[in-house]
Amino acid sequence: GAVVSQHPSWVICKSGTSVKIECRSLDFQATTMFWYRQFPKQSLMLMATSNEGSKATYEQGVEKDKFLINHASLTLSTLTVTSAHPEDSSFYICSAAKGYTDTQYFGPGTRLTVL
Amino acid sequence: GENVEQHPSTLSVQEGDSAVIKCTYSDSASNYFPWYKQELGKRPQLIIDIRSNVGEKKDQRIAVTLNKTAKHFSLHITETQPEDSAVYFCAASAMEYGNKLVFGAGTILRVKS
Repeated sequence: GAVVSQHPSWVICKSGTSVKIECRSLDFQATTMFWYRQFPKQSLMLMATSNEGSKATYEQGVEKDKFLINHASLTLSTLTVTSAHPEDSSFYICSAAKGYTDTQYFGPGTRLTVL
Repeated sequence: GENVEQHPSTLSVQEGDSAVIKCTYSDSASNYFPWYKQELGKRPQLIIDIRSNVGEKKDQRIAVTLNKTAKHFSLHITETQPEDSAVYFCAASAMEYGNKLVFGAGTILRVKS
């Protein structure tokens, strides 16, 4: 199998607070993990690529100081949305790839609502 | 960078009919083309994928074709069922760009019973 979990599945927070989202590969080692954001009725947009033990690579237009990514082990990557604002409300989805292969397996997503 | 266009944006078919969704990509370096099915509020699920060394791949009622020359690939679903109703996304990636997926805009498929 190739199971990816995410926690929490949903979170509501106040504007100005920080939220951490965890992404775990449960039955395989993920050298690379990806973080996406999906707004309602839209496609998935890649935010950043996370490689274990190194700094994340952010896509153009994504603020690295706002979206902190840590890939501390081969099974865990975290995304922290710092000083969240209502416009950060979205569906955040991670994916993981086995080694350097091309197939990505997606987590169930985290629904973030910032009040 | 890579750009993936997907058509149609919505598709309604009668149960039992076939559905075809088409995508084009711009970067000739792309070599991996997955298709994902996403139900409302759920994760995208990989339903089939194809690599650039293959022209066609089939898995039961689902098939994907790839035309590298035209930079075009398509998803074919035969004998559609109501449970096929979902949003379908095509994507493309290239090994030289770290296998980052670029997604199409998505197609809402409605299968009417």
